Amino acid sequence: NAGVTQTPKFQVLKTGQSMTLQCAQDMNHEYMSWYRQDPGMGLRLIHYSVGAGITDQGEVPNGYNVSRSTTEDFPLRLLSAAPSQTSVYFCASSYDPSYNEQFFGPGTRLTVL
Amino acid sequence: ELKVEQNPLFLSMQEGKNYTIYCNYSTTSDRLYWYRQDPGKSLESLFVLLSNGAVKQEGRLMASLDTKARLSTLHITAAVHDLSATYFCAVDGFEDSNYQLIWGAGTKLIIKP
Repeated sequence: NAGVTQTPKFQVLKTGQSMTLQCAQDMNHEYMSWYRQDPGMGLRLIHYSVGAGITDQGEVPNGYNVSRSTTEDFPLRLLSAAPSQTSVYFCASSYDPSYNEQFFGPGTRLTVL
Repeated sequence: ELKVEQNPLFLSMQEGKNYTIYCNYSTTSDRLYWYRQDPGKSLESLFVLLSNGAVKQEGRLMASLDTKARLSTLHITAAVHDLSATYFCAVDGFEDSNYQLIWGAGTKLIIKP
């Protein structure tokens, strides 16, 4: 099993550009989530999904969209990039919310100029 | 508001010494998770604690959970340099009628030879 994969690993955007961060898992996990990690801020939840077709907002959803058309994939879309979105983004998955040991992808380091 | 507080946030210690990281939380959850993050890397699950009094050990690390005190500890015995990392605790909880994993800010541990 590949576990949780994320692409790209690094990305530089200009302010106003849009892009999609890809996340996929091959563990048949129902629960998937996106976090951003900023220095000294720990992890902050952006969006999460409890299954295909179901998504919800986390702590910091503004400026981001998600969709979950399949169990495996959970892409994160930046609609109009801003310098405040410069961060490291992690995708994670778990079997279900009642046992929420999360498995993390390798992360995407995003810089917005 | 659900809160998870770790202390200390930064710890520098000598090899061979013992120390404890504390994780206090405000919800009535009985499920707590510990993760490790190496610099520039992703997060790795260390321990899953699912009930009051749960204790788990792996190598020089031991984690315990007291749900009545809403406290978990991560104890390091005879520290070695390889344990240098940032350690996060996270707790299952409900916020605004949504199920979420609430994260502590992390404890950066530096172990000097």
